[in-house]
Amino acid sequence: RKEVEQDPGPFNVPEGATVAFNCTYSNSASQSFFWYRQDCRKEPKLLMSVYSSGNEDGRFTAQLNRASQYISLLIRDSKLSDSATYLCVVMRGGSYIPTFGRGTSLIVHP
Amino acid sequence: GAGVSQSPSNKVTEKGKDVELRCDPISGHTALYWYRQSLGQGLEFLIYFQGNSAPDKSGLPSDRFSAERTGGSVSTLTIQRTQQEDSAVYLCASSRGAGNQETQYFGPGTRLLVL
Repeated sequence: RKEVEQDPGPFNVPEGATVAFNCTYSNSASQSFFWYRQDCRKEPKLLMSVYSSGNEDGRFTAQLNRASQYISLLIRDSKLSDSATYLCVVMRGGSYIPTFGRGTSLIVHP
Repeated sequence: GAGVSQSPSNKVTEKGKDVELRCDPISGHTALYWYRQSLGQGLEFLIYFQGNSAPDKSGLPSDRFSAERTGGSVSTLTIQRTQQEDSAVYLCASSRGAGNQETQYFGPGTRLLVL
């Protein structure tokens, strides 16, 4: 089983829709969690960190479920500009080497 | 301010040749990472530098791959005797420090094609 797994998609949604992605991780010692966004042929950029209590940034909400070992990303009121690949990133406690998922592709259409 | 820069942006080489890829991290960032990303694949960790500590080379796929970081700043990734399977985008990232909540800032990458 891969350390970090994501549904590759693509998720094809209309503008204004709400969409959610999950990411599962296999190592229970994982301690730090992030969502990065990668546009086509561009470098990844941090979207948000994921905190134990969950966190929100505008239309984006991230949640962590330690018991089931997954993190989620919810996007409300999708915009065309949200079309990208969303990368789940997990870091074990005591390690500075992140493990990236293969990403979930989102396509928002008019 | 200036972000992470990488050069060249594209490199086409022949199988068996050596290549050098360069990364200029954000000024003051002590941590530097190299990754590679093949088409449709996730980011594969290659090597990690932190300050003056010995680098973590655990991700290097073979002894044809090596990297240096001079003066705690610029880094060079060298691939000797390139193979076609080395074709990928090589991404460099830097972060302020070694904490595992630190944001990584990525450069635009070097697209390597080995013919």
